[in-house]
Amino acid sequence: GAGVSQSPSNKVTEKGKDVELRCDPISGHTALYWYRQSLGQGLEFLIYFQGNSAPDKSGLPSDRFSAERTGGSVSTLTIQRTQQEDSAVYLCASRNTPGNTIYFGEGSWLTVV
Amino acid sequence: ELKVEQNPLFLSMQEGKNYTIYCNYSTTSDRLYWYRQDPGKSLESLFVLLSNGAVKQEGRLMASLDTKARLSTLHITAAVHDLSATYFCAVLNYGGSQGNLIFGKGTKLSVKP
Repeated sequence: GAGVSQSPSNKVTEKGKDVELRCDPISGHTALYWYRQSLGQGLEFLIYFQGNSAPDKSGLPSDRFSAERTGGSVSTLTIQRTQQEDSAVYLCASRNTPGNTIYFGEGSWLTVV
Repeated sequence: ELKVEQNPLFLSMQEGKNYTIYCNYSTTSDRLYWYRQDPGKSLESLFVLLSNGAVKQEGRLMASLDTKARLSTLHITAAVHDLSATYFCAVLNYGGSQGNLIFGKGTKLSVKP
């Protein structure tokens, strides 16, 4: 597609359930990023992929969070046993290394009730 | 550890006035990004600054980079209401993550008639 595509755009889930968030980067972009933005806050780095590998997973807030990327394209961020504090917008971005501009998707708005 | 600081965090301006947003960062990097975020929306790329002394301009916004001082500025000229948004700077981190983007907390700009 023309831009970074994320799904679902909105998700309301019950506390304790697992959720999967999907990111489809711009075609050919090798670098992929996940960020989290809580209401009125800045962007918290979660994980970065270069191709299928994730050089640094230290941004993931707990072991309930995991992410994978297959085929150097689509990435999935999984949150297990969701908690209310997980409620946020999860933003995905991609870059064509060695390109410069990093493009963001529209985000997945997660609400845990 | 790379830290990015923006100031001010809140800025209320009158239309027609000029102002500057500052972005300081703590370790060496040669890529600095400015983004705009409207309420409820994702991030829109404004500028990518790649070298010391780089200056880019788009409409009423001008961004510059001083890599020796580890400082970038976003200058607003003759502000108009349409510029009201939150502006983020972000620095590419060449540390452990080999390429993730660290964001400042954002500057919430409100332009009043």
